[in-house]
Amino acid sequence: NAGVTQTPKFQVLKTGQSMTLQCAQDMNHEYMSWYRQDPGMGLRLIHYSVGAGITDQGEVPNGYNVSRSTTEDFPLRLLSAAPSQTSVYFCASSYSPAPVRPYEQYFGPGTRLTVT
Amino acid sequence: AQSVTQPDIHITVSEGASLELRCNYSYGATPYLFWYVQSPGQGLQLLLKYFSGDTLVQGIKGFEAEFKRSQSSFNLRKPSVHWSDAAEYFCAVGASGTYKYIFGTGTRLKVLA
Repeated sequence: NAGVTQTPKFQVLKTGQSMTLQCAQDMNHEYMSWYRQDPGMGLRLIHYSVGAGITDQGEVPNGYNVSRSTTEDFPLRLLSAAPSQTSVYFCASSYSPAPVRPYEQYFGPGTRLTVT
Repeated sequence: AQSVTQPDIHITVSEGASLELRCNYSYGATPYLFWYVQSPGQGLQLLLKYFSGDTLVQGIKGFEAEFKRSQSSFNLRKPSVHWSDAAEYFCAVGASGTYKYIFGTGTRLKVLA
């Protein structure tokens, strides 16, 4: 199993450009999520999904869009990049037990994004 | 609202010394608690988790953590630190009824040879 994969590893954007960060997992996990990691702030949840066609906002959703058309893929779109979106982005997935409760998340290697 | 506090931003220990990383949470019901480790340039890896039962949980790489409800704490310990333990450590807390959880701000561990 490849686990959780993310592309690209590094990206530099100019203010106003758009781009999509890719995330895929091969563990058949229903739950997937996107976090951003900034110094001194830990990981903050951007968006999450509990299955194909179902997404919801996390703690810091502004400026980001997501969709989930398949179980495997969960791309994150930056609509109009801003310097405040300079960060390291992590995608994660987990098994979804019933009854609903948190479970171990598997993380991708991250994408380091710089917006100038 | 849930919250997680890791009071120590940086900790430095000598190789072979014992380690304790602190984590305090705020949550009304029984929390689901996790510790993750992040090596430089890597994603996060689960060290251990607490859902219920025995309050002392064992994890990978020789780590353990103790859940103390009265102190709202879930501190991570290791009896003898190795140089390879240098990394950033994150505590996280979640609640039943959701798959998501929140992370603390992390503690960066430096190990002196």
